[in-house]
Amino acid sequence: DAGITQSPRHKVTETGTPVTLRCHQTENHRYMYWYRQDPGHGLRLIHYSYGVKDTDKGEVSDGYSVSRSKTEDFLLTLESATSSQTSVYFCATGTGDTNQPQHFGDGTRLSIL
Amino acid sequence: GQNIDQPTEMTATEGAIVQINCTYQTSGFNGLFWYQQHAGEAPTFLSYNVLDGLEEKGRFSSFLSRSKGYSYLLLKELQMKDSASYLCAVVSSGGSYIPTFGRGTSLIVHP
Repeated sequence: DAGITQSPRHKVTETGTPVTLRCHQTENHRYMYWYRQDPGHGLRLIHYSYGVKDTDKGEVSDGYSVSRSKTEDFLLTLESATSSQTSVYFCATGTGDTNQPQHFGDGTRLSIL
Repeated sequence: GQNIDQPTEMTATEGAIVQINCTYQTSGFNGLFWYQQHAGEAPTFLSYNVLDGLEEKGRFSSFLSRSKGYSYLLLKELQMKDSASYLCAVVSSGGSYIPTFGRGTSLIVHP
């Protein structure tokens, strides 16, 4: 196991509030990813990082920002949460080699009322 | 972009064999992963194919045909614990080399 910890595991908040999700890894993987998973859509990439302070957008990045100040930590921020961002969020890590699988955290269930 | 298609749901009987298909369209194929995801849990890696043919791992096998844009996951001697979602993910050489996931197939195994 890649040793990936997501926090919090569950969160309920109100529309318009800021929310930050944290992903912490102990495997020293270069790449880190944030996905959201919704019924009927599968896993969709929000943002990813290929090194400290190096990040890029995924297919559903609107309304989200990320930061990576240390190899171990990758933060996902919803600046002003909306009900459409209610989802299960997964963090993943990887070496970046195309033949190596990603390792996933246990997910954060986020509900925005 | 990529287009990845999997059946939404399948059912099978304990002890039987089931084949879960994944078809894809991509520019510059660079590998295909299968993951298993139990309800409420994280996806976990099952198999990787980059060359045509069958890769066997115990009760699970995965097949790839690059010319047809087609893969399948074969599960033998089904057990109740195999009830889960199975995710197909394709790596394209165009762009970031990050896998794109299909919507997943929910497999229900009944006694």
